[in-house]
Amino acid sequence: DTAVSQTPKYLVTQMGNDKSIKCEQNLGHDTMYWYKQDSKKFLKIMFSYNNKELIINETVPNRFSPKSPDKAHLNLHINSLELGDSAVYFCASRQGNFNTGELFFGEGSRLTVL
Amino acid sequence: AQSVAQPEDQVNVAEGNPLTVKCTYSVSGNPYLFWYVQYPNRGLQFLLKYITGDNLVKGSYGFEAEFNKSQTSFHLKKPSALVSDSALYFCAVSSLTGGGNKLTFGTGTQLKVEL
Repeated sequence: DTAVSQTPKYLVTQMGNDKSIKCEQNLGHDTMYWYKQDSKKFLKIMFSYNNKELIINETVPNRFSPKSPDKAHLNLHINSLELGDSAVYFCASRQGNFNTGELFFGEGSRLTVL
Repeated sequence: AQSVAQPEDQVNVAEGNPLTVKCTYSVSGNPYLFWYVQYPNRGLQFLLKYITGDNLVKGSYGFEAEFNKSQTSFHLKKPSALVSDSALYFCAVSSLTGGGNKLTFGTGTQLKVEL
């Protein structure tokens, strides 16, 4: 009964490969996010969806493509992986489309590109 | 653009002593301020938030934070630190005028509580 679950938790792959990370939330929230945490622990927003609609798209290479089949799921597909993509990717959700609610985070997916 | 500064990379405190983790922010409009904690190899967990009203907000695990509009600060405090409080703490800010639905995080402060 995990609130925000991500799979896989660990991902090790070669440069140039394509990989996906899946995220599901069972909180009934309307808004979901992808954040990237680098090796220095800096957190940066990548994307946000509200009810399956993209509302935030930060300056992220177009090799990264989010997909939200329904409001409970937000997946992240990465094409042509590069060394610099190695990071921990966090999915999060929040109720509504307002700025006052807190985020609920998943446990993270650690991506290592060799 | 909105931003958050956490001026200390690390804060060391003896168990039982009070702790403070500093945060200052910059937004246009009224700020919505948050503190999150991250334990090793875990996701971030919400601690507390300030939206409006009383400047002193209380949160989980005995933590509290004081909103100071004139100093644009939102420092996290706890009267008596525990070793189990050792973790990475993030301050974050959003606002109605701050890029829509975006929550901007500070760079994090590592809290180390020693016996």
